[in-house]
Amino acid sequence: QKEVEQNSGPLSVPEGAIASLNCTYSDRGSQSFFWYRQYSGKSPELIMFIYSNGDKEDGRFTAQLNKASQYVSLLIRDSQPSDSATYLCAVNRVNAGGTSYGKLTFGQGTILTVHP
Amino acid sequence: GAGVSQSPSNKVTEKGKDVELRCDPISGHTALYWYRQSLGQGLEFLIYFQGNSAPDKSGLPSDRFSAERTGGSVSTLTIQRTQQEDSAVYLCASSFGVSGGTDTQYFGPGTRLTVL
Repeated sequence: QKEVEQNSGPLSVPEGAIASLNCTYSDRGSQSFFWYRQYSGKSPELIMFIYSNGDKEDGRFTAQLNKASQYVSLLIRDSQPSDSATYLCAVNRVNAGGTSYGKLTFGQGTILTVHP
Repeated sequence: GAGVSQSPSNKVTEKGKDVELRCDPISGHTALYWYRQSLGQGLEFLIYFQGNSAPDKSGLPSDRFSAERTGGSVSTLTIQRTQQEDSAVYLCASSFGVSGGTDTQYFGPGTRLTVL
């Protein structure tokens, strides 16, 4: 089992729709969760992070975390063609003392296409 | 600088040659990370620096790979006796290095390495 798994995609949605991107993780020690967007030929750019159970909203983006189910998702409302990219889920774990292990473990990414 | 910078942006080398890749982190960021991204492999962690020390080198694939960081700033990743399987995009990221699991990493533009 991979440490971080994302829905394989590609995912295609019409402009204006809600895009739903999902991620599951295997390590219960994971504490913080990040969503990055990567355009073709570019480096990953941070969209948002979440570390508490529940929802976190930032503009058109909502991250949802359920630690009991080891599941994190990203919703993109009012999807635009400019949202077309690969979305990467990444997790970070901390030790008992609360110190981050530093490295992020990434999923394989989900390719999202928003068509006009 | 405003963001993480990396040089060169592209490097083509012959099999067996040594290469050096450079990363200049965001000013004030104490933590620095190297990842690589190759087709079909996703983003994989290589090494993490906190200041000048490397508490986690677990991702370095072989002893041909080494990295150093001096002055708590610039880092160099060196690959000796390059092989064709080393061809990938090498990404550097930096963060403030705070504990608690909410430390966010920001990526540079990457160095595309091609080994002929």
